[in-house]
Amino acid sequence: EAGVAQSPRYKIIEKRQSVAFWCNPISGHATLYWYQQILGQGPKLLIQFQNNGVVDDSQLPKDRFSAERLKGVDSTLKIQPAKLEDSAVYLCASSLFGDTGELFFGEGSRLTVL
Amino acid sequence: DAKTTQPNSMESNEEEPVHLPCNHSTISGTDYIHWYRQLPSQGPEYVIHGLTSNVNNRMASLAIAEDRKSSTLILHRATLRDAAVYYCILSPPTDKLIFGTGTRLQVFP
Repeated sequence: EAGVAQSPRYKIIEKRQSVAFWCNPISGHATLYWYQQILGQGPKLLIQFQNNGVVDDSQLPKDRFSAERLKGVDSTLKIQPAKLEDSAVYLCASSLFGDTGELFFGEGSRLTVL
Repeated sequence: DAKTTQPNSMESNEEEPVHLPCNHSTISGTDYIHWYRQLPSQGPEYVIHGLTSNVNNRMASLAIAEDRKSSTLILHRATLRDAAVYYCILSPPTDKLIFGTGTRLQVFP
């Protein structure tokens, strides 16, 4: 079974530039999550989708971050404009039903903002 | 969100059992106890979860105190591949997982 796919693995940009990350969840998984992990910290949830609807985006900095889930499958996370403090690994995860079941994580996209 | 307390780091020797503790004195009756681990440069991976009874799977065992205010993840025979950050997370059903800083486990040959 294919896992959660993310791209790009690495991205370096200058502050005030924009960047987009892509996630393809495991086939059939209804729930998709984006987490931000700053070095030395645990992952922080940014947004949760159930199919193509947003369940929770309370921790998403909406002035610069946006996310969408096309047709309830793939998802993109965009940052515009980027700040130095956005340097982090952006992790995508998916689960079957969004309940107490297992979350499957991708390898993440590492962003460095200079 | 219910809080968990874990030691920052622990050490073990290869092939020895490892007991990773987690305190969660404010756990509510509907909170599940989840354990995930994160190997270097990888995303977190699911280890085990439970509600009230002890749980076993191919990767580990989860021992839950009778009052549910603490739990212990047990790795029966540590290998070098088990070196990772282990996260203990409380979550009610259908809710999101909130990660703390976890316990960094070092395994020595």
